[in-house]
Amino acid sequence: NAGVMQNPRHLVRRRGQEARLRCSPMKGHSHVYWYRQLPEEGLKFMVYLQKENIIDESGMPKERFSAEFPKEGPSILRIQQVVRGDSAAYFCASSPRLRPLSTDTQYFGPGTRLTVL
Amino acid sequence: GIQVEQSPPDLILQEGANSTLRCNFSDSVNNLQWFHQNPWGQLINLFYIPSGTKQNGRLSATTVATERYSLLYISSSQTTDSGVYFCAVEVTGANSKLTFGKGITLSVRP
Repeated sequence: NAGVMQNPRHLVRRRGQEARLRCSPMKGHSHVYWYRQLPEEGLKFMVYLQKENIIDESGMPKERFSAEFPKEGPSILRIQQVVRGDSAAYFCASSPRLRPLSTDTQYFGPGTRLTVL
Repeated sequence: GIQVEQSPPDLILQEGANSTLRCNFSDSVNNLQWFHQNPWGQLINLFYIPSGTKQNGRLSATTVATERYSLLYISSSQTTDSGVYFCAVEVTGANSKLTFGKGITLSVRP
């Protein structure tokens, strides 16, 4: 069973460009979470999605950031008009969430390291 | 929001030594996970341990939910244990999101 896949692993963008980060959850997992890790810091929650639904986006910056998890295909985290402060590692995690309101282990992908020049 | 504090912030060990890493949290939790972030940045699941004790090889973990802390034990440390250890919790009713501590940086010297 393949783990959580993220691509690209490294992404370099110039200020003002768009960044698109992709996440394919583990097989059988329908819940996806995005986290951001700034240099020398712990991970911070950004958004929680199920297929075609955003469940909790309380950690997302209000502007320039958006996320989706379509019925088909990977989850996408999109950052428009990137700035230097967006440079970070972005991790995706997935879980099966077998029952409503149950808790499950979140499995993390390898991350995408975004560098904004 | 919930506070997650890990101690000590940094730890240097000689290969073969044992260590205990601590995670304190300020609210009731549904979920607690320990992760190891290796020098290449990958996050590796170590334990899902909202309560009780688990062991996996040289690693073991104990969570005492009523007292709001968890401990990660590393025995006979190896240089490959180096990296950052994170504790992350999911607050009861918090809709799945994990709140991470700032991590403990472990260096194991040969």
